[in-house]
Order: sequence, then structure tokens, then C-alpha cells
Amino acid sequence: DTAVSQTPKYLVTQMGNDKSIKCEQNLGHDTMYWYKQDSKKFLKIMFSYNNKELIINETVPNRFSPKSPDKAHLNLHINSLELGDSAVYFCASSQTWEGGPTDTQYFGPGTRLTVL
Amino acid sequence: LAKTTQPISMDSYEGQEVNITCSHNNIATNDYITWYQQFPSQGPRFIIQGYKTKVTNEVASLFIPADRKSSTLSLPRVSLSDTAVYYCLVVSYSSASKIIFGSGTRLSIRP
Repeated sequence: DTAVSQTPKYLVTQMGNDKSIKCEQNLGHDTMYWYKQDSKKFLKIMFSYNNKELIINETVPNRFSPKSPDKAHLNLHINSLELGDSAVYFCASSQTWEGGPTDTQYFGPGTRLTVL
Repeated sequence: LAKTTQPISMDSYEGQEVNITCSHNNIATNDYITWYQQFPSQGPRFIIQGYKTKVTNEVASLFIPADRKSSTLSLPRVSLSDTAVYYCLVVSYSSASKIIFGSGTRLSIRP
């Protein structure tokens, strides 16, 4: 069973379009995250949700809007896509957000977004 | 949050022991040292975490000196499948939700 799953795996779209990436975790974790990994492989956190509530928003443009319908799902909607949004987006989850040994993050397989 | 510094890349051969050192001079009392591994086209995967001295699991060992300003990830008898990027992170117990990944160390294992 896949612990953290994302769909789609690949997403190719035109500038200006709106797209969504879905994430689901079956680990029973309380906290979920979205990360962006650019072409230079830097992995940057974008958002973090704990029990459906936003706890981190790392200066991400308003065009990015996460939505957590329940604590097992955290979807990422992107409006008006730009060339610079091309990257791999990773979803992750952890048991809590309090840190320490219990908060290992489990990552999904990633979604490669290409904006043309 | 403590910043980490690690080598950009390392090369080794199958069967060798590989040690990757990470510097974290500004580590705070509440901080844990955590290592993740990332294979191409996959998400990062937790390897090991420690606070001080030595931690060992089935995959690796983590050595942390008394001052905790650095740490060394040790991979025993590497194989080709250990080729990956290894990230050293310092995670605060009180704010783990804001972990910061550095550039990582790209480890290449040759036959």
C-alpha cells in the first residue's frame, strides 16, 4: 500500500491555465506538507497543514491555494500558471508537527509540472 | 533555524564505507539532526535521526560529537543502489513543520 500518493505524476500545461495536484496519505498522520523542488534540486517547503488547518505558508504567491478537505488529503490548486512554476511538487506527511523523533516526514512520489 | 553545510558531491566504490559530514554550527538545544535520502524521480526518504553521540539502524550510523556542531552519516559497504542525494537537516523539536532542506550531497557509487 502506498503511504503517500499524488496524482497526477506528470502534468504538462500551457501558461495561464489552472491546474490541481492531489495528495492522499493513509498513515493516519495529522500533518501534511507541500514542497517544491526546482531544477537545481533545492527542496523548499510551501505549505503545512495540521488537522486541516494551515500552519505554514512560506511566502508562496496567492496563485497557489492548498485545500485540505480532511486530514488525509491536501490538494494544491494553482491558478494562472507561469513558466517559473515548472518544478517537481512533493507532498509529505508526518505524525505531528511538534518535532522530535516522531515527526519523520514521509514523501509522495512527486508530480512533475511542466508549464509551456 | 540552524543552517547546514555539506559537500556538494562525493564518489566512492561498491563495498566501501562512505562518510558524509555535515556542519551545523548554529544548532540549538532543541534541535535534532536528521538525514534523508533521495533517489532520482522519487521523494526524499528518512534515513536516520539523532541528538547526540551515536545512533545506528539497519541502514546507516550517525555520529554526533559532544559539541553537536557537526555530524557524520556513515554508510557501511555501499552498493550501486546507494547512489542518491543525501540531505542533512536540523529539525527543531518545537517547529518540525518548518524543516529546511539544503542542497544535499550527491553520492555516486561506482562498480
